[in-house]
Amino acid sequence: QVQLQESGPGLVKPSETLSLTCTVSGGSINFYYWAWIRQPPGEGFEWIGYIYYSGSTDYNPSLKSRVTISVDTSKNQFSLNLTSVTAADTAIYYCARIPTSGSVWFDPWGQGTLVTVSS
Amino acid sequence: SYVLTQPPSVSVAPGKTATITCGGNNIGTKSVHWYQQKPGQAPVVVIYYDRDRPSGIPERFSGSNSGNTATLTISRVEAGDEADFYCQVWDSSRDHLVLFGGGTKLTVL
Repeated sequence: QVQLQESGPGLVKPSETLSLTCTVSGGSINFYYWAWIRQPPGEGFEWIGYIYYSGSTDYNPSLKSRVTISVDTSKNQFSLNLTSVTAADTAIYYCARIPTSGSVWFDPWGQGTLVTVSS
Repeated sequence: SYVLTQPPSVSVAPGKTATITCGGNNIGTKSVHWYQQKPGQAPVVVIYYDRDRPSGIPERFSGSNSGNTATLTISRVEAGDEADFYCQVWDSSRDHLVLFGGGTKLTVL
C-alpha cells in the first residue's frame, strides 16, 4: 500500500526557510492531491496546503504568504517551503494523501517529522 | 470563521459505548471525517464522509452527521481505543479551507 515519508532538517533558525520533502512509495503520485498538515507539540492540527500532481495548489489563508508546495512526479515526491519561520512554526509536520475527489480528507499520513525553530 | 467544537475529554468504561461530538454551524451540510491519534503516532482515519469506514477499522466505529452536530460512536469500547480523536471538514465555499476540531481525549476507565 501507499506509504509516505517526510524528510528534512529538524532544526531551523528563526527568519530562515523550513524545507521538507515527502517521498511517496508503493504507488504513484499521479492523479492524486497531496497535503501538508502540522501539529504543534501537545496541540491540534493545522492544514498548511495541498497540491495536485499536475501542480495546482491551495493554501491555508493564514499561511499563504509564506508557503510554497511543489511536486516532482519524476521522483514521486512533493515538497514544502515555509519562509520567515518563528518559534510559532515549531511543530510535527505531516504529509498525507487526499484519497478521493468531492471532499478533502487524509489517508494515509506519513509518520511526521518534528521541526523546531530555534537559534 | 467556521469553528468545529469538540469536548476536550470523554471517559467510558470498557464494553460501553463512547460518543464523541463535533459541533459546527450547519455541519450536516458538510462531509465530516474522523481521525484517531494514539500517543507518538500519526493519525489514522476511522470514519470518512460522515459514516464510511475504511477497511481495517472495526465495525464498532460508526459516524453520523445532522444539523449542527456530527457524532463518532465507538461501541463495546476496548482499552486499545484510548486515543485522541479529531473531526475534520473541508469548507468548499471559503478558500477551500480545511478545518480540524480541537480534539477529544478518549479515556477508557
